[in-house]
This record gives sequence, structure tokens and C-alpha cells, in this order.
Amino acid sequence: NAGVTQTPKFQVLKTGQSMTLQCAQDMNHNSMYWYRQDPGMGLRLIYYSASEGTTDKGEVPNGYNVSRLNKREFSLRLESAAPSQTSVYFCASSRLTGPMGAFGSGTRLTVV
Amino acid sequence: SQQGEEDPQALSIQEGENATMNCSYKTSINNLQWYRQNSGRGLVHLILIRSNEREKHSGRLRVTLDTSKKSSSLLITASRAADTASYFCATVRSNDYKLSFGAGTTVTVRA
Repeated sequence: NAGVTQTPKFQVLKTGQSMTLQCAQDMNHNSMYWYRQDPGMGLRLIYYSASEGTTDKGEVPNGYNVSRLNKREFSLRLESAAPSQTSVYFCASSRLTGPMGAFGSGTRLTVV
Repeated sequence: SQQGEEDPQALSIQEGENATMNCSYKTSINNLQWYRQNSGRGLVHLILIRSNEREKHSGRLRVTLDTSKKSSSLLITASRAADTASYFCATVRSNDYKLSFGAGTTVTVRA
């Protein structure tokens, strides 16, 4: 099915470990986003990429890095995981000012 | 801080009643969007209203936008149990097109 594919679905990390969350979309969208969702906080924007070759910080970028590998793929990296990064992470894509084409199914990350 | 803030945080209504939730935001926007999230799932786009529009309808959904007050409302008419979900407003800012979400309103529709 067309849409946003996000991997992995679940991950448990030890404090200090690193990992990369992968996201790919096949809707030819220019913009891609990474959000985290914590209970009672809604979705908070970590990083976004308005178009291929550009990335910008969102509301909560500290502790994360991103790579817009090409138009389809946008990865999120945690270099040294901390318990405060325990959350559900969503990737999404859209045209520049239109609605989200789709959200990925989410990655539930636990840092112990 | 988040761009959009929803009110109320939670809403419980009887099936068949209408549900109204509000969203306030801080900066100039290009458009405002509403999303639904069922428990444990991703977000589903419901409706988009542009900054030069005042009202839009989609099925049982009615959205209004007042840019002078920097606020929007979502009305769900004749609610059903299947409408039980969290609803989020999201704004696309005029200057950088960043899409930012509010904290959401949790709606429970009782049968």
C-alpha cells in the first residue's frame, strides 16, 4: 500500500546506545517530518525537511539528528539515548502546505 | 511551546449529541488542519481550512476559522461511538510552513 513506511515498530535501548529510525514515503511528497508523542503532550515536532536537501529543527531537536537521504527517505538518529527519549515516534510526509499525506504507524521506543 | 492549544482537554458525550472543540494558536498561519487519532494508531487527516476561509464542511464535520482571534473550532454532529478518539489541530505557519500540533482533545462517545 502507498504511504509512509516506518521501521522499527518497537525498540528497547539501554541508556547511551544509539539507533536510527527509518522512514520512507512513496507519494512523491516534498516535505517530511519526525514527531514524538508523549502522554498528554500531543505531537511535538523534532525535525522537518521542507524539501530534499534541507532540514530544520522543530520544537524538541536536542538529542536527535536527521538525514534527508533523498526525496523518499528521512531518517532520525539518536546518538546517545536517554530515558527522556522514551516516546512514540511518528514520521509523516506532505506537500509543502497541504495536509499530511500520511503518518507512519509509529515506533514505540523505550530507553532503560 | 506548542503552536496550537485545544480546549477542552477531554470531552464525554452521549451518542447522537454534538461535540465541539476549540483550538487557539499564536502566529500567522497559512492553513489549519484537524486530525483524528484512534488509540495506539497514527493520525488521520480530517479537514484543512486555509487562512482566507472562514468555514468548511465535510460530512458530519464543521470547521470554523477566525484569524482575528487566532482560533478554530471543530464540530462533530450526531456523534457515534466510532468517533471516540483524540482530535488534534495543527497549523502550518506562514513564514516557514512548519506543521505544529496542539496537545489534543480526547473525545469519548457513550453508547
